[in-house]
Amino acid sequence: EAQVTQNPRYLITVTGKKLTVTCSQNMNHEYMSWYRQDPGLGLRQIYYSMNVEVTDKGDVPEGYKVSRKEKRNFPLILESPSPNQTSLYFCASSPSRTGKQFFGPGTRLTVL
Amino acid sequence: GENVEQHPSTLSVQEGDSAVIKCTYSDSASNYFPWYKQELGKRPQLIIDIRSNVGEKKDQRIAVTLNKTAKHFSLHITETQPEDSAVYFCAAEGGATNKLIFGTGTLLAVQP
Repeated sequence: EAQVTQNPRYLITVTGKKLTVTCSQNMNHEYMSWYRQDPGLGLRQIYYSMNVEVTDKGDVPEGYKVSRKEKRNFPLILESPSPNQTSLYFCASSPSRTGKQFFGPGTRLTVL
Repeated sequence: GENVEQHPSTLSVQEGDSAVIKCTYSDSASNYFPWYKQELGKRPQLIIDIRSNVGEKKDQRIAVTLNKTAKHFSLHITETQPEDSAVYFCAAEGGATNKLIFGTGTLLAVQP
């Protein structure tokens, strides 16, 4: 089954404790993105990747890192989480930057 | 930077009526305009998209129109049904960048 998976689905952590949210897709898509969703602000792109080893900043990259060492995986790294990073995070993949995006199930992160 | 404005933020209609959601974008180089539907607690899913070489596209009860001169595009839902109730997001591909910029969403409520 074609899908995008994210782990964990829910995470409560404390300020400053490094964490990684994994994202994996099995559709051989080139384009992958991370978004955060906050009430009233819609979906805001954090980082995107056009292909392996090619990543670039979206609109809200501060406090986040990503890597794309393999085509299927695109982890999101918060090296020193802060409470303002409490949010719902979605990973997405698509065949190209102008193609249908397939979203993962979301990760709800709370930083205390 | 690139910006997408979406209106209204909430929309309530009676079952069977039409609903229209409007978006404007700032980057005249944008060429791809998708619409996503997000049901409560679910991930966003693509419902329709349009490219800049087309002025209108229809898929059953859903249609999207694009006015490149005015940098404006709209989602039209006819004969609304309760299952159309959801948050709808418009988006614009970043044109000169590889970003995908989302609007802030419209909460559509279809009253039976």
